[in-house]
Amino acid sequence: EIVMTQSPATLSKSPGERVTLSCRASQSVSSNLAWYQQKPGQGPRLLIYGGSTRATGIPARFSGSGSGTEFTLTISSLQSEDFAVYFCQQYNNWLGTFGQGTKVEIK
Amino acid sequence: QVQLQESGPGLVKPSETLSLTCAVSQYSISTDYHWGWIRQSPGKGLEWIGSIYHRGGTYYTPSLKSRVTISVDTSKNQFSLKLSSVTAADTAVYYCARRVYKRLTTTIIVPQWFDYWGQGILVTVSS
Repeated sequence: EIVMTQSPATLSKSPGERVTLSCRASQSVSSNLAWYQQKPGQGPRLLIYGGSTRATGIPARFSGSGSGTEFTLTISSLQSEDFAVYFCQQYNNWLGTFGQGTKVEIK
Repeated sequence: QVQLQESGPGLVKPSETLSLTCAVSQYSISTDYHWGWIRQSPGKGLEWIGSIYHRGGTYYTPSLKSRVTISVDTSKNQFSLKLSSVTAADTAVYYCARRVYKRLTTTIIVPQWFDYWGQGILVTVSS
């Protein structure tokens, strides 16, 4: 099973700041990596797929990079609606394992 | 915009069968895509349970395969999950989602990301 590790577990930031979230795979997943945003009481929302392609309707302040085992999600300027939990997911196989999430909270 | 909505009992007794349904709107599930179930618990995080293609092909996670059945009802535009012999470890929020796939050949497909999710339903296993 491919294990996905996200860091940090929690990030305290202020609106307007730049945020960088990390996701590491225990073995190469090529570019088969997606990022999701989840707010309380809601299902996850797809942000990025293919490591770097923004999903439909996702603002340009969200960007993804990386391939192989190391991936990054960057929010260029944090907005109030961006405070949430972010998950990465590899889809190199059917299991499609998820990371444990990074919570972005208001500082 | 595609919408998915889970429904079913919020409380299931140990050893019984958990049954959930996902109603899909704004898209006909008989058109394309895989349709799946994922659960989320504090202890295990997000865990893919399984997926079904509208023509009936199913894929299940190995750890649950002996207890899981996913089926599709195209006439009602919905799909369902049954998980048998539940224990407290099956307590979780259950989500249904649409899964993108890529067809490599007429018989080989590869899974991709989940592009639309339901809001989730909490299922507690307790007597």
